[in-house]
Amino acid sequence: NAGVTQTPKFRILKIGQSMTLQCTQDMNHNYMYWYRQDPGMGLKLIYYSVGAGITDKGEVPNGYNVSRSTTEDFPLRLELAAPSQTSVYFCASSYGAGGPHMETQYFGPGTRLLVL
Amino acid sequence: DQQVKQNSPSLSVQEGRISILNCDYTNSMFDYFLWYKKYPAEGPTFLISISSIKDKNEDGRFTVFLNKSAKHLSLHIVPSQPGDSAVYFCAALEQGAQKLVFGQGTRLTINP
Repeated sequence: NAGVTQTPKFRILKIGQSMTLQCTQDMNHNYMYWYRQDPGMGLKLIYYSVGAGITDKGEVPNGYNVSRSTTEDFPLRLELAAPSQTSVYFCASSYGAGGPHMETQYFGPGTRLLVL
Repeated sequence: DQQVKQNSPSLSVQEGRISILNCDYTNSMFDYFLWYKKYPAEGPTFLISISSIKDKNEDGRFTVFLNKSAKHLSLHIVPSQPGDSAVYFCAALEQGAQKLVFGQGTRLTINP
C-alpha cells in the first residue's frame, strides 16, 4: 500500500513551457486534491475532485487544469508556466464526506517546481 | 481573508517540556478540525483531529483542545521529543464542504 505517490519530485521549467504533475493513490479514495505551498505560507487548494469525471476549482485555480478519468489518478496540468507558479505542489486524497475520519486527507511527498 | 490563522510562525521548546501550538479561526461553520505535521521535503501527515461536538481529543502524547466560543484550538504535546521538530498546520472543514482550509503553519523546534 503506497498511499499517495507523486511524480516528478523536482522539475525546472522555462517560462511558457507546459508540464503535467502526476498523482496516484491506491487507497480507493473518492476525493482527491491538489495544493500548492509557497514559502512561509499554508497550503492553498488549486483543484479538487469528488470522484471520477468530477472536478471543481479551489482557491487558486488560474493557470492550471485537471482531469479525473479514474479513481486512482488525478493529474495537474500547467499549460503556460509562469514564475508565479514556482512552488511545492502536494496531492492529497480522502474517503470524502460522511463524518469524522472520512474527511482526513492523506498527502503525497510533493513536487518541487521551479519556473525560470 | 485568512479564515484559519496560526499567529506564531515559530516555537522553541526544551525536550521533555510541553509544546502548545495555537490556531484561531473565523468561520463559525467549521465543524471539524485537524492538525498535520510536516517534515522538510515530505508531505504533511495527519496527526490528530477533533469534531466540533467535542472539546478535547487525546492520542498518546498529543491532545487537541477546542474552544468554540473563542474560535480557538490548540495542540498540546507532552512530553516534547526531538522528533517532534517539524512544521505543524491546523486545518478546518466546513460542514457539507469538501475543502480543508489551512493555517500558515508553526515551525516547532525541540531543543535537547
